[in-house]
Parts: sequence; structure tokens; C-alpha cells
Amino acid sequence: DAGVIQSPRHEVTEMGQEVTLRCKPISGHDYLFWYRQTMMRGLELLIYFNNNVPIDDSGMPEDRFSAKMPNASFSTLKIQPSEPRDSAVYFCASSLGLAGVETQYFGPGTRLLVL
Amino acid sequence: AQSVTQPDIHITVSEGASLELRCNYSYGATPYLFWYVQSPGQGLQLLLKYFSGDTLVQGIKGFEAEFKRSQSSFNLRKPSVHWSDAAEYFCAVGGTGTASKLTFGTGTRLQVTL
Repeated sequence: DAGVIQSPRHEVTEMGQEVTLRCKPISGHDYLFWYRQTMMRGLELLIYFNNNVPIDDSGMPEDRFSAKMPNASFSTLKIQPSEPRDSAVYFCASSLGLAGVETQYFGPGTRLLVL
Repeated sequence: AQSVTQPDIHITVSEGASLELRCNYSYGATPYLFWYVQSPGQGLQLLLKYFSGDTLVQGIKGFEAEFKRSQSSFNLRKPSVHWSDAAEYFCAVGGTGTASKLTFGTGTRLQVTL
């Protein structure tokens, strides 16, 4: 298996622009997670899905962030409009089974820089 | 609410020396405990996990961790560190339940000197 696939790997954009991050989970996994990692705040869970349905979005910072999972093999995290404080590494992860129990498999991350 | 504390932000050890990374957790029921490792520029990878049975858990790359309920701890150990073990290590706690999720600690960065 190719593992969790994220694109792009790097993104540089200007403040106010829309940013879309993409994720393909491991085939057959029923949970998908979006995390954000920064030096100041560490690793934060933004949102997670079970069978394409959002379960917990309490970590989404504000209305500028939105996430979708239109099918079992694809998810997007969108930031509109982007701000410099959104600069971070965004990870997608997937698992087979309960979110707090089963191993999560992480993608390589998208490094986002908002100027 | 569940939480994880990793008191050491940065640790430096010499290659060949033993290693212990500390982790304390807070969880209201039986915890599921994990250690993940993150190499520079990469995502996190599971080292080991515990949820029941023997309190000493073996993982990949020669790592082990011991669950101590009385101390709410799940410390990671390795008898002899290799230069390739330099990375960031994250402890996490989770559990069962329809809204369960993992809560990660802030991480410990390990530097290995030759």
C-alpha cells in the first residue's frame, strides 16, 4: 500500500488567498484525521471523519477553515482566506477502527507558508 | 478531559547510552497509550501501544514502554541508542467510546551525539 498520500507537499501563498490541501487515506480505512503542527501549539487535531461523516470538528480554528470528505478515498482541508498565522505543517492520518484505539497512519504532511 | 504531559522538551544522549522518555497521562477510564516517532520532515509513525495485559510493551526499533497505573505513566525506554534514533517522540492517550480520539503530548526532541 502506498500509505496516506497528501498533496501538495509544500505550499507558499499570500495572505487572503484560498488554500486547498488534499488527502488520500489508506484504502479500507474508515477514519480520517486532519492535524496541524506548529512550534507554538504542537500537534493539534482539527477534525476527524468516520465513514466520510465529520465526527468532531471542535479543533477547527475558525470559520475560515473547512473540511470535506466526499468519498472514502479523498478529503480536502480548505482555508479561505488564509492568514500568516495559518503557516504550519498539516498532516492527514487514517485508521481502521475507533479513533482513540487503533493505530493512526500519518501522511508526510503539507508544509504551508502564508506570506 | 484527557491529557498527556511530556516534561522533557529536549534530551541529548550519547550513542550507545540508555534512554528513557517520560510520559504522564490523565484519563478517566482505562487508557489506550501510544508512542509515536517523527523523523525530520516526515509524518508520525507508531512505535508501540498498550491497552491491556502485560504492562511492559515491546515496539519496533528496539523500544519498549512500561505502563504504571499508580503513577499514571507510560515511559519509553531503549537500552542502547543509535544515531538514527534522533527524532521527536510523542506520547498519546486515547480510549473507547463513540467520540474517542487521540490526545498527543507536546513531544520530546531526542538528539544523539556520536
